[in-house]
Amino acid sequence: DAGVIQSPRHEVTEMGQEVTLRCKPISGHNSLFWYRQTMMRGLELLIYFNNNVPIDDSGMPEDRFSAKMPNASFSTLKIQPSEPRDSAVYFCASSLGTAGEYDTGELFFGEGSRLTVL
Amino acid sequence: KQEVTQIPAALSVPEGENLVLNCSFTDSAIYNLQWFRQDPGKGLTSLLLIQSSQREQTSGRLNASLDKSSGRSTLYIAASQPGDSATYLCAVSAGGSYIPTFGRGTSLIVHP
Repeated sequence: DAGVIQSPRHEVTEMGQEVTLRCKPISGHNSLFWYRQTMMRGLELLIYFNNNVPIDDSGMPEDRFSAKMPNASFSTLKIQPSEPRDSAVYFCASSLGTAGEYDTGELFFGEGSRLTVL
Repeated sequence: KQEVTQIPAALSVPEGENLVLNCSFTDSAIYNLQWFRQDPGKGLTSLLLIQSSQREQTSGRLNASLDKSSGRSTLYIAASQPGDSATYLCAVSAGGSYIPTFGRGTSLIVHP
């Protein structure tokens, strides 16, 4: 398996523009997480999906942020309008997410999308 | 709300030393604890995962232990090498929610 795939790897945009980050989880994984990493705050959970349904979005900063998971193999995180304080590395991670006997809960990360908002 | 603390925040050691990195958490009702390595500009790579029912896991020169009663985990690195230089993060998944909460990490430099 190719692992968790994120795009773009780098994005530079101007304040006020719309930004869309994309994630393809590992095939067969049912849980998907979006995290944001900054020097100031470390890794913060933004939203967690299980079976394509948002389970916990309490970490989404404000209405400018939205996330979707239209099917089991694709998720997007959208920021509209973007602001300089949104500059960070955004990570997508997936896990088996069945909570079954053989599910250890191991989390697998993508390489991240580095966003710079000027 | 689960809180995860990692001490020390940074560590610089000469090659060959044995190291202990610490991770503490506030809620002992956990599902698992996972240690990750992050190289600069890269994603997180899973090193070891300890399930709630386990006490330790080993992989090569790495050994991770879990003590739920005291809310602690340690990552032991034997005979450190310059290639071990990276940031090490621990993540604790709460029982029931399965959502991992991360510590801020320990930045490790092993110099030749």
